[in-house]
Amino acid sequence: EAGVVQSPRYKIIEKKQPVAFWCNPISGHNTLYWYLQNLGQGPELLIRYENEEAVDDSQLPKDRFSAERLKGVDSTLKIQPAELGDSAVYLCASSLDLAYNEQFFGPGTRLTVL
Amino acid sequence: DAKTTQPPSMDCAEGRAANLPCNHSTISGNEYVYWYRQIHSQGPQYIIHGLKNNETNEMASLIITEDRKSSTLILPHATLRDTAVYYCIVGGGGSNYKLTFGKGTLLTVNP
Repeated sequence: EAGVVQSPRYKIIEKKQPVAFWCNPISGHNTLYWYLQNLGQGPELLIRYENEEAVDDSQLPKDRFSAERLKGVDSTLKIQPAELGDSAVYLCASSLDLAYNEQFFGPGTRLTVL
Repeated sequence: DAKTTQPPSMDCAEGRAANLPCNHSTISGNEYVYWYRQIHSQGPQYIIHGLKNNETNEMASLIITEDRKSSTLILPHATLRDTAVYYCIVGGGGSNYKLTFGKGTLLTVNP
């Protein structure tokens, strides 16, 4: 069974540029999560989807971050414009549904903003 | 607010049991204890979770004290591949399920 797929694995951009990250969850998983992980810290939840509905986006900085999961399968997280402080690893995870306790994480996208 | 307290680092000899402690003195009655680990440059990996009974699976055992204020994750025979950051997380089950990660414990397994 394929795991959670994320692309790109690495991205280097200059500040004020836009950037997008893509995630394809495990087939059949209804719940999808985006996390941000700063160096030396644990992951922090940005947004959680149940199918195509964002059920928790309280931690998403909506002035520059946006996310979508149009058909309830794959998802895109966008930053526009990127700032130096956005340099981090962006992790995607999925689970069968909200009530399921095990989340499966992808390898993450490491973003460097210069 | 930090809901769990873990030592920042621990060492363990290869082949020995690794016992990772976690304090969660403010845990509420309907909150579970979850353990995840993160190997360098990978995403976190689920290990085990429990409510109040001890749990065991193919990866580890989870021992929760009777008052539920602390727990211990046990890796019975640590290998070099178990070197990772281990996160202890308390959170609600069901629709309230949400993982709030702390800084975790860096476990280093030495040959």
